Amino acid sequence: DQQVKQNSPSLSVQEGRISILNCDYTNSMFDYFLWYKKYPAEGPTFLISISSIKDKNEDGRFTVFLNKSAKHLSLHIVPSQPGDSAVYFCAATPMNRDDKIIFGKGTRLHILP
Amino acid sequence: EPEVTQTPSHQVTQMGQEVILRCVPISNHLYFYWYRQILGQKVEFLVSFYNNEISEKSEIFDDQFSVERPDGSNFTLKIRSTKLEDSAMYFCASSSRSSYNSPLHFGNGTRLTVT
Repeated sequence: DQQVKQNSPSLSVQEGRISILNCDYTNSMFDYFLWYKKYPAEGPTFLISISSIKDKNEDGRFTVFLNKSAKHLSLHIVPSQPGDSAVYFCAATPMNRDDKIIFGKGTRLHILP
Repeated sequence: EPEVTQTPSHQVTQMGQEVILRCVPISNHLYFYWYRQILGQKVEFLVSFYNNEISEKSEIFDDQFSVERPDGSNFTLKIRSTKLEDSAMYFCASSSRSSYNSPLHFGNGTRLTVT
């Protein structure tokens, strides 16, 4: 039962261009969404989050957009840098069940020189 | 920057054996978690722990699993009788409050291989 779906297992983007990672969710009870970044041999690292009361949150080169009606969120990275090459996990927290996070399968982002 | 540390980084065990995975959360954090990631699959929630008791567990976390905070610093995950399908990367995480507004900080994981 995939409540959080990342349909693109991998994505390649030219350095300096925009990277867009997509995520869909099925559970309408989710009200808080997060993106984690993971390098090989390391644990996931928190990147950015958004509450369901917002539709956009920006932090430097990273912006997350939330479309509640479509149950879709996306992470934009601009400009993309070589150090952005990693696996990106979309995650969500159910309303009133804030002690666990539901992760997607991840998207591997390759930044090309 | 304080970090979550996990030991060992890689554990190989035979099916049916008990394993204990160890974690030292960030010192002022109060909420502790175990997640796992089977190779090529998503990161899955196992259990959350607060105030010396389990606050939430998933269907994966059956009677073969247990967690303990034996002292003020360590947080352990025990698997009593390992199965082949327990082979995965196990991540410990901690946060200063519930995950809603305080992101989890993950350790680098323990790779468990059951043969």
